[in-house]
Amino acid sequence: DVKVTQSSRYLVKRTGEKVFLECVQDMDHENMFWYRQDPGLGLRLIYFSYDVKMKEKGDIPEGYSVSREKKERFSLILESASTNQTSMYLCASSFEGTGANTIYFGEGSWLTVV
Amino acid sequence: SQQGEEDPQALSIQEGENATMNCSYKTSINNLQWYRQNSGRGLVHLILIRSNEREKHSGRLRVTLDTSKKSSSLLITASRAADTASYFCATEGTSGSRLTFGEGTQLTVNP
Repeated sequence: DVKVTQSSRYLVKRTGEKVFLECVQDMDHENMFWYRQDPGLGLRLIYFSYDVKMKEKGDIPEGYSVSREKKERFSLILESASTNQTSMYLCASSFEGTGANTIYFGEGSWLTVV
Repeated sequence: SQQGEEDPQALSIQEGENATMNCSYKTSINNLQWYRQNSGRGLVHLILIRSNEREKHSGRLRVTLDTSKKSSSLLITASRAADTASYFCATEGTSGSRLTFGEGTQLTVNP
């Protein structure tokens, strides 16, 4: 089974702190994604990556950055956390290919910024 | 931007009844996928239907796709309390592998 592991399930951080959310996948997937999920807004794509050291902005990249130094690991970074970044963050991965890319999700990281 | 929109936003039924959820989208797609999310957990892939397919089955799930109307439906037959979850449609556009998700339908199956 594909496994996408998010290192932290629940975090509480202070405004202005730098926050790292880590994600590891074990299926040699090329693509990795970070989404945030908020009530009434569904899933919104923050950043994604098609390859090591490669990143592309999603729909809401402001206030976030990412790092992909190894194929299996994709990190989301909040440079200076703010209260409006309180949310559930979902990491996902998929194979690169055309026409049928099923996405596999981690269990989510609940971040509260106080 | 949100591509898929699910309807209804919430659905409550009795165990044994069928549940139907609908998804509409705006632009051309390669495929449409349905995912399920239990409360507080990640999303799990249920079924994928390609743009050249009209109907697909998987166990108690039946998905239809009407590309002329840009809409899809997910039918869960003989529902169980364990089917209680949020269900999301996601579309893969013709330009690449990025999926765009709708806001989901919250399904409650009462025992």
